[in-house]
Amino acid sequence: GDSVTQMEGPVTLSEEAFLTINCTYTATGYPSLFWYVQYPGEGLQLLLKATKADDKGSNKGFEATYRKETTSFHLEKGSVQVSDSAVYFCALHDSSNTGKLIFGQGTTLQVKP
Amino acid sequence: KAGVTQTPRYLIKTRGQQVTLSCSPISGHRSVSWYQQTPGQGLQFLFEYFSETQRNKGNFPGRFSGRQFSNSRSEMNVSTLELGDSALYLCASRQSISYEQYFGPGTRLTVT
Repeated sequence: GDSVTQMEGPVTLSEEAFLTINCTYTATGYPSLFWYVQYPGEGLQLLLKATKADDKGSNKGFEATYRKETTSFHLEKGSVQVSDSAVYFCALHDSSNTGKLIFGQGTTLQVKP
Repeated sequence: KAGVTQTPRYLIKTRGQQVTLSCSPISGHRSVSWYQQTPGQGLQFLFEYFSETQRNKGNFPGRFSGRQFSNSRSEMNVSTLELGDSALYLCASRQSISYEQYFGPGTRLTVT
């Protein structure tokens, strides 16, 4: 079945450093891809999305490009802030199950001042 | 627009009891999905409701059930609680034409 694999965390960076969180997926068909962020004690917030190959999703300085040839959707940000500290989840829409998102295991990001 | 709301935010129950969690979707969203989040298993899909009908179900025992009302509000019920049911339960809503889901803050269930 479909699956999502994220890089192991935690990731610890200094403020203003460059961020990459790797995400690869296995899926039949052409799923939509998402990044969600979860702050402590909260639910998941949709960060960005991409619905087809070569689409680039972006929001709040974060970007990710849907790469069909490498089945990847890596999350990047040029300059992280302390307020970006959170858990980041990569997810795909299960094309055989319209209401289901399949999530990676999550990557914890800690940004130090 | 108001976001997805879930009540209660926290619950403590004893093994063997049952519990009902509530979710109100974003206005105009007719699909509601439920997920269980635990440190060990991560985020797992429970089920989806659309127009008061369960459309899809994840791999959970029959103790987990749900329903949806005509105003799209949804409830999930867990009967005969087990310690392993301790988790954050998240609901998410979406428009029928879109795959992106918007999540509520979750209900933290602790089973003792």
